Amino acid sequence: QVRLVQSGGEVKKPGASLKVSCKASGYTFITYGISWVRQAPGQGLEWMGWISGYNGDTNYAQKFQDRVTMTTDTSTSTAYMELKSLRSDDTAVYYCARVDWNDSSGFRWGYWGQGTLVTVSS
Amino acid sequence: DIQLTQSPSFLSASVGDRVTITCRASQGISSYLTWYQQKPGKAPKLLIYAASTLQSGVPSRFSGSGSGTEFTLTISSLQPEDFATYYCQQLNSYPWTFGQGTKVEIE
Repeated sequence: QVRLVQSGGEVKKPGASLKVSCKASGYTFITYGISWVRQAPGQGLEWMGWISGYNGDTNYAQKFQDRVTMTTDTSTSTAYMELKSLRSDDTAVYYCARVDWNDSSGFRWGYWGQGTLVTVSS
Repeated sequence: DIQLTQSPSFLSASVGDRVTITCRASQGISSYLTWYQQKPGKAPKLLIYAASTLQSGVPSRFSGSGSGTEFTLTISSLQPEDFATYYCQQLNSYPWTFGQGTKVEIE
């Protein structure tokens, strides 16, 4: 079955960098993309960007454009999201989700990781 | 950016009630609208994609409709396990965006 397993929670200091992993199993990794979303405590969902599993092409939300880097390692079927220059308002649960595409129905995010809690505090 | 506005933001209902949540887009998004259910401490769960297509394994009491700028999620008979927060999302154009959420609580 399809599974996305994310790395464990982290505590970071302001100004530090964060790298969250999302290991995929149960499907052919390069056939689908991976999207990253975050959710601050008690808040809604915020899209950060996504990466193609096929060719590594990315599309980032403007808000994160200068601080985020998304990569993949096809040899281990793992996607990574790195966020630099962390601030206290980056405290959130970070999720990865598999991005499916179909000509008739467009994009679909049917599988999600369990989430990674990141706390940014001095 | 396309803004999605859900209404209501909060909904109190009883088991067995018919519940409707609306999502309005600031510009047309064709049928590229998705609905998720999220319970506390859990990842969102896909319910409906392409505005009206039920994701495999999702109970048939959930349905979606709409196109363009106005969409609805309907739960025909609310069950105890349906008390959660619901989000709409547009996947028509970048940046992909979410509505602010609708929390469905027990009356």
